[in-house]
Amino acid sequence: AQKVTQAQTEISVVEKEDVTLDCVYETRDTTYYLFWYKQPPSGELVFLIRRNSFDEQNEISGRYSWNFQKSTSSFNFTITASQVVDSAVYFCALSSGGSARQLTFGSGTQLTVLP
Amino acid sequence: DGGITQSPKYLFRKEGQNVTLSCEQNLNHDAMYWYRQDPGQGLRLIYYSQIVNDFQKGDIAEGYSVSREKKESFPLTVTSAQKNPTAFYLCASSIRVAGSTDTQYFGPGTRLTVL
Repeated sequence: AQKVTQAQTEISVVEKEDVTLDCVYETRDTTYYLFWYKQPPSGELVFLIRRNSFDEQNEISGRYSWNFQKSTSSFNFTITASQVVDSAVYFCALSSGGSARQLTFGSGTQLTVLP
Repeated sequence: DGGITQSPKYLFRKEGQNVTLSCEQNLNHDAMYWYRQDPGQGLRLIYYSQIVNDFQKGDIAEGYSVSREKKESFPLTVTSAQKNPTAFYLCASSIRVAGSTDTQYFGPGTRLTVL
C-alpha cells in the first residue's frame, strides 16, 4: 500500500516570506514517481513537477524549489519570496508499481499569502 | 487550444436522479481518469481508462459508471446508488509512456450538489 502525508493542513505567511510545504510518502516499490500539483481557488489542478525515485537532485524553477530525500521519504516544496498569487491548495502525490499508474494524493496544504 | 474541458461547471441534482458529467480532451491522450474531491481532502480515484472501450474501477467506484467509446471522451454517470454524491469531480488525462509513469493533467472540474 502507498500513502502520502501532508501534515500541514493550513499555512499563512506574509508576502515575501519563504515557505516550505512538507510531503512524506510511503511505498514498498523501489521505482516510484512523486508529483506536486497546485489547486488555485478556481479548482483546476495545475501540474508543477514530477520526480522519479532514481533522481535525487534538487530542482529549482524560478521561485519554486523541491528537496527530494529518499533517506527520510520526503519530497518538500519551497516557495521563495512568496506572493499573493501563490495562495492555493498544494497537493503532493505518489505513483508506484503496477501498470495502472494510479496517483495517491495527500490531503493537501492550504497556503495563504497575506499582502 | 489543447486541453481538457468539463461540463457543466456547477450541477444540481435531486436525490434519486442519475446525472452525467462530461469530460472531453483534445490532447490525443490515451488514458483518462475521474477523481472525487471532498472538502479538506485529497483526490480519490473513481474510474480510469487506458484505452478506448476499456476501463477499470478505482478506489471508490460504487455508485458510479463510465464509458469510453471515443478516445476524446470519458463521461461519468453518478447514479442514485451513490449515497453521498455531493462533491467536486475532476477529470484528468495522460499520455502513456512505455516503461515510465504518466503525468496527469486535469480539467477545471464540476461541482455537484444534491438537493
